[in-house]
Amino acid sequence: ILNVEQSPQSLHVQEGDSTNFTCSFPSSNFYALHWYRWETAKSPEALFVMTLNGDEKKKGRISATLNTKEGYSYLYIKGSQPEDSATYLCASGEGKLIFGQGTELSVKP
Amino acid sequence: GAVVSQHPSWVICKSGTSVKIECRSLDFQATTMFWYRQFPKQSLMLMATSNEGSKATYEQGVEKDKFLINHASLTLSTLTVTSAHPEDSSFYICSASGYSGANVLTFGAGSRLTVL
Repeated sequence: ILNVEQSPQSLHVQEGDSTNFTCSFPSSNFYALHWYRWETAKSPEALFVMTLNGDEKKKGRISATLNTKEGYSYLYIKGSQPEDSATYLCASGEGKLIFGQGTELSVKP
Repeated sequence: GAVVSQHPSWVICKSGTSVKIECRSLDFQATTMFWYRQFPKQSLMLMATSNEGSKATYEQGVEKDKFLINHASLTLSTLTVTSAHPEDSSFYICSASGYSGANVLTFGAGSRLTVL
């Protein structure tokens, strides 16, 4: 059974701060690692799908890295803005995704 | 982009009644839909995988007679919570694959069920 863990559980930063959080997952039988951004009362929005060891992806101020050998992925947000406030979920698997519990980010103006 | 509509967004019902939650893919055909449940401060837990035209596959520990899933078309899957009890109160959310690749999921906004 896959076990996906995210840390920290919550994070409070000031506008303009850069931040990062971690997703760890079992490295055996790895298929893909997903990052989602989930704002309150909205649908989770896919940010990245990563499959290759060493992969780095970027979308605006948000980027992610992947290490499949040691089983972790980092999500970075550069120059956080209040609109970045959301819960960030990672998930591992193929089709049937196993989710972490999320990191709740709050960015204060 | 892909949109999945989930209704209702919240529902309150009495114990013993049944509640149906709909998940629709609005602009693509969803070959597979997934239903998740989330308890407070916990991760999304997969309940079942729904394939159009076939029976749903339930995860271990999920009662198929309690949580009826129907995927009658490529754009609609429904989850019916039968004979609901207060312990069924939870957040239920669906996702669909079929847009931009089989491994990319598009989520609904979720349904908050409260059973009195």
